[in-house]
This record gives sequence, structure tokens and C-alpha cells, in this order.
Amino acid sequence: GAGVSQSPRYKVAKRGQDVALRCDPISGHVSLFWYQQALGQGPEFLTYFQNEAQLDKSGLPSDRFFAERPEGSVSTLKIQRTQQEDSAVYLCASSLAGGSSYNEQFFGPGTRLTVL
Amino acid sequence: DQQVKQNSPSLSVQEGRISILNCDYTNSMFDYFLWYKKYPAEGPTFLISISSIKDKNEDGRFTVFLNKSAKHLSLHIVPSQPGDSAVYFCAAPSGGYQKVTFGTGTKLQVIP
Repeated sequence: GAGVSQSPRYKVAKRGQDVALRCDPISGHVSLFWYQQALGQGPEFLTYFQNEAQLDKSGLPSDRFFAERPEGSVSTLKIQRTQQEDSAVYLCASSLAGGSSYNEQFFGPGTRLTVL
Repeated sequence: DQQVKQNSPSLSVQEGRISILNCDYTNSMFDYFLWYKKYPAEGPTFLISISSIKDKNEDGRFTVFLNKSAKHLSLHIVPSQPGDSAVYFCAAPSGGYQKVTFGTGTKLQVIP
């Protein structure tokens, strides 16, 4: 299908390991978003890209979290020195455009990260 | 500070009856609201939205009502169907409409 895809779907990491989570947005979508969803909670905004520019990273919980989208398409969320509180589902979403009105965000299935 | 609140974590409804899911918000700057639906192991999918200039928006079996003075919105599903069983999130965009704040979700179970 032509939806948002994420890989891996599941990741188990030992505390202190670095992880990289990949997001392939819908082709042609300008905007890309990362969210973190802890168990029993709603998704929480992490960061937002318009093309390759990271316009908002206010939701990143610490400097261990880093996101990039170097060519304005695929994005990677990297978490360094993972800790148990990083265990969550990481959701990626894309939308057709940014701008001054809301554009529907299409979500991928998420990557479930478990830190032991 | 939870700016979007869904105080009912779960709801069970008989097939064919009405489901009413509630949501409260605290940020008076919100002027657009969304409902997303999520099945297990899938990402949320957009369901319906409402602008603050309206008090009702209807799409088939789904209707969203907005009471700005009470900072409250609700999603009505009628008639409810077993395939509606999912987690429903109320949400509001801000930050130039790019940063979406979600509630904690309500798990709806429609009993056949």
C-alpha cells in the first residue's frame, strides 16, 4: 500500500544501547511528525519536519533524542543510551502540506520499543 | 498539564445503540478539534473534525458536538456497530496547526 511505513515494528534494547527508528512517509507528503505513545496514554508530540527542515523539536524529552530527515523524505528517530522510561510506541505521521491550516496527519503503525 | 482530557477510559455499548464519547479541553486558544480512531497494532486514523466556528459536524453515523463555553466536545456514533470497537482519541492542533495534542483515549467496546 501507499501508507506510512515504519521499521522495525518491534525493537528490544538493553539499557544504554542506541536505537534508530525509521519512517517512510507517504510519497509527496511535505510534513513529517514523530509522536511517543506510552502505555495507556495518547500520542505525545515529539518533533515536526517540513521537507528537510526540523521546524519544531519542542517535544523531544532530552538531548538523547535526535531526529533527522536529510533529503526531505525518509526520517530517522535516534535514541542514544536508551533508558527504561523510553519504552513506548513511537508513531510517525505525514501530511500533504504545512501552512496555516490543519492538514490531516496519516499515521504509520508505530515501532514498539522495549528497553530492558 | 493535560490540555485535552478524556475522563472515561472505557465504554461498553450494545450494537445498534448510541455511543457517546466525551472530551474536555483547557486551552481556550484551540480552534479546531479532531477525533482519531485506533485499532490495536495500527496507527490512529482520522475520523472527523470540527472548527470552533461550528457547534456540530456530521459525517454519516458520526457526529461531533462542540460546546465552546464549557470547553467540551463529544462524539456520537449511531447506530454503533461491532467494527466501531477501538480506542478513540480526542485531539487539537496548535503551533500553527502542526503540533497535535491528544487526549488519553477512550476504549469503546460495541457488544453484538
